[in-house]
Amino acid sequence: SAVISQKPSRDICQRGTSLTIQCQVDSQVTMMFWYRQQPGQSLTLIATANQGSEATYESGFVIDKFPISRPNLTFSTLTVSNLSPEDSSIYLCSGAAGGTDTQYFGPGTRLTVL
Amino acid sequence: GENVEQHPSTLSVQEGDSAVIKCTYSDSASNYFPWYKQELGKGPQLIIDIRSNVGEKKDQRIAVTLNKTAKHFSLHITETQPEDSAVYFCAASLGQAGTALIFGKGTTLSVSS
Repeated sequence: SAVISQKPSRDICQRGTSLTIQCQVDSQVTMMFWYRQQPGQSLTLIATANQGSEATYESGFVIDKFPISRPNLTFSTLTVSNLSPEDSSIYLCSGAAGGTDTQYFGPGTRLTVL
Repeated sequence: GENVEQHPSTLSVQEGDSAVIKCTYSDSASNYFPWYKQELGKGPQLIIDIRSNVGEKKDQRIAVTLNKTAKHFSLHITETQPEDSAVYFCAASLGQAGTALIFGKGTTLSVSS
């Protein structure tokens, strides 16, 4: 299994600002994923973070709004830019260790935009 | 693309009863089906998974069954306990390393003592 941590665990931000979320895995993972979970809803994939290349974004999510970095095999960041109240959600990262398809999730970052 | 439907959206049972949550998927190429439990304020926790070459898998009080022909899979929890109360999500993927999961909408399970 993989143990995944996220920082911050929660934040309250003002409209128009940005928040960068960090995701750290305790072992090397080929792919990391970023999901959004709106209040009381399921998980929606934002993008797949590849090490050494640009992230792959799902329909409805764009790099300008959700830039992602993946500098190495154990770390990734997601920035949520130009925040609006509609961005208030839980943001989750996940990874699959050892080249498997079994994904483990971090505890999430709860973002509130005022 | 893949679409996963999950039912019911809420489920209330008495402690000791069994609970069953069902999911259907649309893409016949999907062959990996995990189940996650999410408690309030926490990230999803993998509780059991099944691959398309297996029809059933058990882990203590939890079991998952898969019917590839009908494209549906189910989570069975026996002898439910109050600590089983949580939101449960099913998911599907192509089962290759690095492929993303497509999630169902979740089932809120409440176990009353």
